[in-house]
Amino acid sequence: DAKTTQPNSMESNEEEPVHLPCNHSTISGTDYIHWYRQLPSQGPEYVIHGLTSNVNNRMASLAIAEDRKSSTLILHRATLRDAAVYYCILKGNTPLVFGKGTRLSVIA
Amino acid sequence: GAGVSQTPSNKVTEKGKYVELRCDPISGHTALYWYRQSLGQGPEFLIYFQGTGAADDSGLPNDRFFAVRPEGSVSTLKIQRTERGDSAVYLCASSLRAGGIDTQYFGPGTRLTVL
Repeated sequence: DAKTTQPNSMESNEEEPVHLPCNHSTISGTDYIHWYRQLPSQGPEYVIHGLTSNVNNRMASLAIAEDRKSSTLILHRATLRDAAVYYCILKGNTPLVFGKGTRLSVIA
Repeated sequence: GAGVSQTPSNKVTEKGKYVELRCDPISGHTALYWYRQSLGQGPEFLIYFQGTGAADDSGLPNDRFFAVRPEGSVSTLKIQRTERGDSAVYLCASSLRAGGIDTQYFGPGTRLTVL
């Protein structure tokens, strides 16, 4: 399985932008980059995904490096409700393979 | 619309007992996944179904674990002769298909405690 590397934890002030990095140097040409997050005591929740181009949706933006070996999830204005573990996952025609993710803390 | 539901939300059992965990996927989703999550870890894949058949069961830890999806909708994860190490949150997810582009929708999980 293609692997990703994320920082264990990050901290942000409320209403500030947050950039969550992910390295995936062994990505294959057909792998999509997916981001999920898991709030306390809940199942994971889809955030965003992309293949080559940057993507925006109502929750976040995904910036993908030109060589696709890294990506960054951008939360434009962090709120207390964004405190969660964020997982960066490479996905082909296979189930999701979760790492330990990045635990994001948001300070009021 | 209704999301993925799982029952029971909590299950406490004794070592050696048999348990069944149920998952109701989103209507129309052909792919269904089971994951297990231990404290402080990310979810770990167990098995996934495409329709009624198990497309990949490589994550099942041993033959005490079994899952079925007889009509291509509801799925049941069955654990025989439970052990204390089986204690975890068992998560179910479904998706429209099983491709790289497909989003998985997760249920709230069943917390299994084996005493």
